Amino acid sequence: EVILVESGGDLVQPGRSLRLSCKTSGFFFGDYAINWVRQAPGKGLEWVSFLNTAAYGGTEEYAASVKGRFTMSRDDSEGIAYLEMNSVKTEDTAVYYCGRGLRWFDYWGQGTLVTVSS
Amino acid sequence: DIVMTQSPDSLALSLGERATINCKSSQSVLFSANKKDFLAWYQHKAGQPPRLLIYWASTRGSGVPDRFAGSGSETNFTLTISSLQPEDVAVYYCQQYYVPPYTFGPGTKLEIK
Repeated sequence: EVILVESGGDLVQPGRSLRLSCKTSGFFFGDYAINWVRQAPGKGLEWVSFLNTAAYGGTEEYAASVKGRFTMSRDDSEGIAYLEMNSVKTEDTAVYYCGRGLRWFDYWGQGTLVTVSS
Repeated sequence: DIVMTQSPDSLALSLGERATINCKSSQSVLFSANKKDFLAWYQHKAGQPPRLLIYWASTRGSGVPDRFAGSGSETNFTLTISSLQPEDVAVYYCQQYYVPPYTFGPGTKLEIK
């Protein structure tokens, strides 16, 4: 069974940092790109970032709203993807989901809540 | 960036009725080399993660009932639910994966009348 579990969400002050994790099981992690998608309170889905597999050069892409502040990484040996969030802003408050896939996202985690507030 | 728009914003129908949700992209998401449209549809219920319904604009995801159908090409797409069921209450999103950022539409909220 394919499973993705996010963790690391917390209440954090503006300007601080936070690292989210996406722990996976049930599939060969190294074969799949991972994405982060977020949903702010009362809003729709917003694609945040993408990290490709090592076989495809580990390319990364980020939404303009987070570029330069957020960084993805992955540990293929552990089957975990990370989202390092630096210089967080109040507008980063959202439920963050990780999703598996290079183009469409066929499996998702349950999400982890990040609240940015002083 | 490719901007995705959806219509209507919300929809209230009776059980058994047909639901039609439209999605438009600001530029074509048809890749000429493979003649595929880089467009997906997701269903998102409150308190749950999004669920993949459709990819390549018209291919149903694993386990998706055949009452869900995707159609369209280039810049205009449609998600049709042929006979509305109680479990279909959700927000539906289209998403382009033609080029990053992989933008979502604003969503269409589907309710039972």
